[in-house]
Amino acid sequence: QVKLLQSGAELVKPGASVKLSCKTSGFTFSTSYMSWLKQVPGPSIEWIGWIYAGDGGTNYNQKFKGKATLTVDKSSSTAYMDLSSLTSEDAAVYFCAIYSSYMGWFAYWGQGTLVTVSS
Amino acid sequence: DIVLTQSPALAVSLGQRATISCRASQSVSISRYNLMHWYQQKPGQQPKLLIYRASNLASGIPARFSGSGSGTDFTLTINPVQADDIATYYCQQSRESPPTFGGGTKLELK
Repeated sequence: QVKLLQSGAELVKPGASVKLSCKTSGFTFSTSYMSWLKQVPGPSIEWIGWIYAGDGGTNYNQKFKGKATLTVDKSSSTAYMDLSSLTSEDAAVYFCAIYSSYMGWFAYWGQGTLVTVSS
Repeated sequence: DIVLTQSPALAVSLGQRATISCRASQSVSISRYNLMHWYQQKPGQQPKLLIYRASNLASGIPARFSGSGSGTDFTLTINPVQADDIATYYCQQSRESPPTFGGGTKLELK
């Protein structure tokens, strides 16, 4: 069955960067669109962007351009997200998800990674 | 961006019908496609897809869940509500980029 296993919780200092991972199995990764989303209590869920695993093509939410960088490793069926110059506003739970590019829903989600930003 | 508005909470009794609404700031329908989707999220867990394109049940989702609507007004119905359905429900549109989510409706027991 489809599995998306995300890396563990991160505690990072303000100004630092962090790289989150999402290891997948149970589907054809190389033809999939992998998305990342941010959840903070109250403001709900925000879409960060997607990456097409086939060729590495990306599409970002304008709000997260310069903040997030999406990459994939097809050999290990893993998606990555780099977050840079972290501030308290980046503290959140981040999810990876399989994105249905045809009509735009998020079919399967990882369990989430909590990122805490603190000195 | 398209804004989706949901009521923050809904109290319901077990065995009764729950109706959760989502209103979009502009139409999310194209031709015959209604690009609204619904998710369930329990505390400490990831969201799970329930309904796609307004009325299509996702794989493995019980038939007591159903969705309807078009244009700007959409509804998720749970009938009858079971204890396992206590969760927060989110709508999401894909009519325009960026895809956006509603603020969530927390389903509570009366």
